[in-house]
Amino acid sequence: DTGVSQNPRHKITKRGQNVTFRCDPISEHNRLYWYRQTLGQGPEFLTYFQNEAQLEKSRLLSDRFSAERPKGSFSTLEIQRTEQGDSAMYLCARGTDSGEQFFGPGTRLTVL
Amino acid sequence: AQSVTQLGSHVSVSEGALVLLRCNYSSSVPPYLFWYVQYPNQGLQLLLKYTSAATLVKGINGFEAEFKKSETSFHLTKPSAHMSDAAEYFCAVSEGNQGGKLIFGQGTELSVKP
Repeated sequence: DTGVSQNPRHKITKRGQNVTFRCDPISEHNRLYWYRQTLGQGPEFLTYFQNEAQLEKSRLLSDRFSAERPKGSFSTLEIQRTEQGDSAMYLCARGTDSGEQFFGPGTRLTVL
Repeated sequence: AQSVTQLGSHVSVSEGALVLLRCNYSSSVPPYLFWYVQYPNQGLQLLLKYTSAATLVKGINGFEAEFKKSETSFHLTKPSAHMSDAAEYFCAVSEGNQGGKLIFGQGTELSVKP
């Protein structure tokens, strides 16, 4: 158990629809990260929060993507007007003071 | 900029044989280095980490890795492979501070033959 839960585990949607994913770390760790992983590739960094503040965003995070962490605990990642290229596994991780990151099981998105 | 290169997208070993998965990194600052394992349709599990202490790092499930600055390498080894080790392995680097994002390699799929 990595102390990170993600919901839903799977999401199938039609192109053009909006989707929202949620990440819940077991406790209110300061740092929370989002990554995207496509088939056969390593995870790619999307964005990072320290408490409520979104400190860094990758250029992969287009204007259709938005992430929030309103109370410094759980986080949501929303994709608007989904495209087939958004199909991927979306991973959330909690960061520790010793520099480690522990990942949740991921949300697999399929855009038809 | 940081980067990670994993040599060999697929490695196959026999059960009981040595496992060696190669990772080379590039970093302009002292790095933190990590190995993760991923089983199908699951998230990533941390195997071990290097954060500027001992250069030989021991992790879970009998894995270990050695940080070699002169070779910019952080190869993962296990003396004797087990069938349950079959999975995808990822090497990752961060900037050595406590908040840095991880930059991952492309991954190496390990197969273990009976």
